[in-house]
Amino acid sequence: QFVLTQPPSASGTPGQRITISCSGGSPSIGAHPVNWYQKFPGKAPKLLIYSSHQRPSGVPDRFSGSKSGASASLAISGLQSEDEADYYCETWDTNSPWVFGGGTKLTVL
Amino acid sequence: EVQLLESGGDLVQPGGSLRLSCAVSGFTFSSYAMTWVRQAPGKGLEWVSTISDGGGTTFYADSVKGQFTISRDNSKNTLYLQVNSLRAEDTAVYYCAKLSGATIGYCTYWGQGTLVTVSS
Repeated sequence: QFVLTQPPSASGTPGQRITISCSGGSPSIGAHPVNWYQKFPGKAPKLLIYSSHQRPSGVPDRFSGSKSGASASLAISGLQSEDEADYYCETWDTNSPWVFGGGTKLTVL
Repeated sequence: EVQLLESGGDLVQPGGSLRLSCAVSGFTFSSYAMTWVRQAPGKGLEWVSTISDGGGTTFYADSVKGQFTISRDNSKNTLYLQVNSLRAEDTAVYYCAKLSGATIGYCTYWGQGTLVTVSS
């Protein structure tokens, strides 16, 4: 079964730039776009990045996405306390049409 | 404004059944695929099932295949998930989401979720 791997946790201080990785067996990430979601406890997930690097309207440009080979990344620059949340990557696999990564809990120190 | 409102979650005994609903507004429901995603307590997001715009194509996660049935009523702007033979591991908040395309895509909007608790 296809698996997307994210680090379980990440942290940074206000103003810092952090990245969260999402890796999966090639060719799945390489062949399909990667999407990222932000989730606060008790709240609905929110689309943050789609098609690997596109931002929906309303998402600050502090958030950016990239993909290279079998890995994708979410970068947050100018880290703010309100960015403290869980972040999930998601993509396609032929055997499991939608696959989420395990999630990364971001702590702003 | 796009709105998705789930309902139907409840405390149910193992082996029981529920029908979850997701009423939507603010977009042309019949033009988009819809999906269900769940989150068990303390766990991450897990994709459950997806249905195409017209309902003719459905996808299921292996973990729920044969146990859950997704459907939609485009005349009522409502998405459903029939969940049968419930087990403790099905305990989760169930979210419905609108996809970006007619059959596939990413989740553009999400509901607030409905809690299903399976316990005796």
